Amino acid sequence: EPEVTQTPSHQVTQMGQEVILRCVPISNHLYFYWYRQILGQKVEFLVSFYNNEISEKSEIFDDQFSVERPDGSNFTLKIRSTKLEDSAMYFCASTLDRYSYEQYFGPGTRLTVT
Amino acid sequence: QKEVEQNSGPLSVPEGAIASLNCTYSDRVSQSFFWYRQYSGKSPELIMSIYSNGDKEDGRFTAQLNKASQYVSLLIRDSQPSDSATYLCAVNWGFGNEKLTFGTGTRLTIIP
Repeated sequence: EPEVTQTPSHQVTQMGQEVILRCVPISNHLYFYWYRQILGQKVEFLVSFYNNEISEKSEIFDDQFSVERPDGSNFTLKIRSTKLEDSAMYFCASTLDRYSYEQYFGPGTRLTVT
Repeated sequence: QKEVEQNSGPLSVPEGAIASLNCTYSDRVSQSFFWYRQYSGKSPELIMSIYSNGDKEDGRFTAQLNKASQYVSLLIRDSQPSDSATYLCAVNWGFGNEKLTFGTGTRLTIIP
């Protein structure tokens, strides 16, 4: 069964450093998302991406964040200058199209900022 | 601000019994509703989706939706220890707004 994959599973970085989190969505899916979950808190939407552009973003997704689909399979989230409060699980999700709504999540990347 | 509310639990249910999980949401025109299961340290796993009023059954799981009351529930029949997890309710508000808004989740423990 097709799955969303994410790398790395765990990333440790120092405050102020740039990180890139990678995702490979399910191959025939067209909509891609990033969510994050701070330990003990709810899953929060960051950004949605369709047709090579941002479809919607939350207020969390400020200028420090960017997304890109550099090729036909990868979908990346870049945090330009990490802060301690960026420490969280970051989940990539994808859905077939805007009308299917069922989003399938990858295993996540645990980001630890020290 | 559109909100999804769940009782955080923990909810303890004996093995073999029915577990009942509840969720309310703030926007009457919401379109799509989902239940995800999340084991500790893992990602959300989609277990049920429901779009229309009424019941939807899939194996041991039944989702119930009442849009007038802005209420969605999940019943797990014949609960198993492997059902012990946090259950997340998620809502898609519709009208081109594709993001999911999640509740805080209900932690369910099945007691052998």
